[in-house]
Amino acid sequence: AQSVTQLDSHVSVSEGTPVLLRCNYSSSYSPSLFWYVQHPNKGLQLLLKYTSAATLVKGINGFEAEFKKSETSFHLTKPSAHMSDAAEYFCVVSEAAGNKLTFGGGTRVLVKP
Amino acid sequence: GAVVSQHPSWVICKSGTSVKIECRSLDFQATTMFWYRQFPKQSLMLMATSNEGSKATYEQGVEKDKFLINHASLTLSTLTVTSAHPEDSSFYICSARSYGNSPLHFGNGTRLTVT
Repeated sequence: AQSVTQLDSHVSVSEGTPVLLRCNYSSSYSPSLFWYVQHPNKGLQLLLKYTSAATLVKGINGFEAEFKKSETSFHLTKPSAHMSDAAEYFCVVSEAAGNKLTFGGGTRVLVKP
Repeated sequence: GAVVSQHPSWVICKSGTSVKIECRSLDFQATTMFWYRQFPKQSLMLMATSNEGSKATYEQGVEKDKFLINHASLTLSTLTVTSAHPEDSSFYICSARSYGNSPLHFGNGTRLTVT
């Protein structure tokens, strides 16, 4: 069985400051891990994914995430937040076969000017 | 990049009627499509997985007779909410992949309101 816990339901940052979104997972297999972003009333856009290659994964829009097996974590970071980063972010884990995704509860990011 | 089109983007219907939501892969063949439901300020919950040409696999607790899924071609899957009730009001999102571990592409979702 697999599960994902996003430790913060809401994160508020000032524009230009770093963003940290925390995610812990559990999986019976070697997991694939993803971060998706969802803007209001929109579908999901893939930010980045980890699939057992480099543990530091760089994604779009300046985001990156680090896979830490010992901590079962896959935290998402961005050095400098932009107003357009205000959205809902989902950490997602999939089984080794990659068929079924399990979503975290989501973290809503608010960016203050 | 791969595009998944979902239609309609929003729909309002009366209780007791049925509503069909379409999910199309525009530039790739989707062997597998997934349907999710998202309540306000909550995460996505997988409802069912559909493979082209076969019956959908529903998650536990999802009524297959209420949420009819058809994946008749490699570019189209439909979700029909039958005899809709206000509690069916939600945001429904589809996703599609072409094969095995290929990336998932999401539609923009359909907001269903049942009055």
